[in-house]
Amino acid sequence: EDQVTQSPEALRLQEGESSSLNCSYTVSGLRGLFWYRQDPGKGPEFLFTLYSAGEEKEKERLKATLTKKESFLHITAPKPEDSATYLCAVRVNDYKLSFGAGTTVTVRA
Amino acid sequence: AAGVIQSPRHLIKEKRETATLKCYPIPRHDTVYWYQQGPGQDPQFLISFYEKMQSDKGSIPDRFSAQQFSDYHSELNMSSLELGDSALYFCASSSRTNSYEQYFGPGTRLTVT
Repeated sequence: EDQVTQSPEALRLQEGESSSLNCSYTVSGLRGLFWYRQDPGKGPEFLFTLYSAGEEKEKERLKATLTKKESFLHITAPKPEDSATYLCAVRVNDYKLSFGAGTTVTVRA
Repeated sequence: AAGVIQSPRHLIKEKRETATLKCYPIPRHDTVYWYQQGPGQDPQFLISFYEKMQSDKGSIPDRFSAQQFSDYHSELNMSSLELGDSALYFCASSSRTNSYEQYFGPGTRLTVT
């Protein structure tokens, strides 16, 4: 069965304190790994798609990387506005996304 | 840029009532997805439509049905509502020409009392 596991569940950071979130996956045929940001009560906001091991993508203070078994979301010098839940999802067919439980990041000023 | 539109944003229903949620995808997107997110949980895939045909089905109860219309908007119909149906319902859309990246709407918060 396809499985997506995110760690840690929660992360509290001081402003400027860089850190990484982990997403490990077990799927029969990965057809894309997605990172989303979700604020409370709002829809997930698309961040990145990664397709193959070794691929990296960056957006402002966020950088996503992919290996054959896991993906990392690195947050460099975070600011309070980076506080959110970060969701990882894998696509195993043309349609369905399977999400992890998410990592809730809180950045203190 | 235009985003996914969902209506209503909030809905309060009583047990055993019926609810209809609407989704208007991003222009030129041909695929629509429905997800359910309970409190503190990750989004769970319900159903998807490609070019007005059901393309995949997840953990959608038999009490729920959905369809995609000729203008690509979609409706999720929920009958015999139960307390456990209270959740955020998200619609997402994508285009086959854009690597299947799914863009989510703001959601409909359904409360069943």
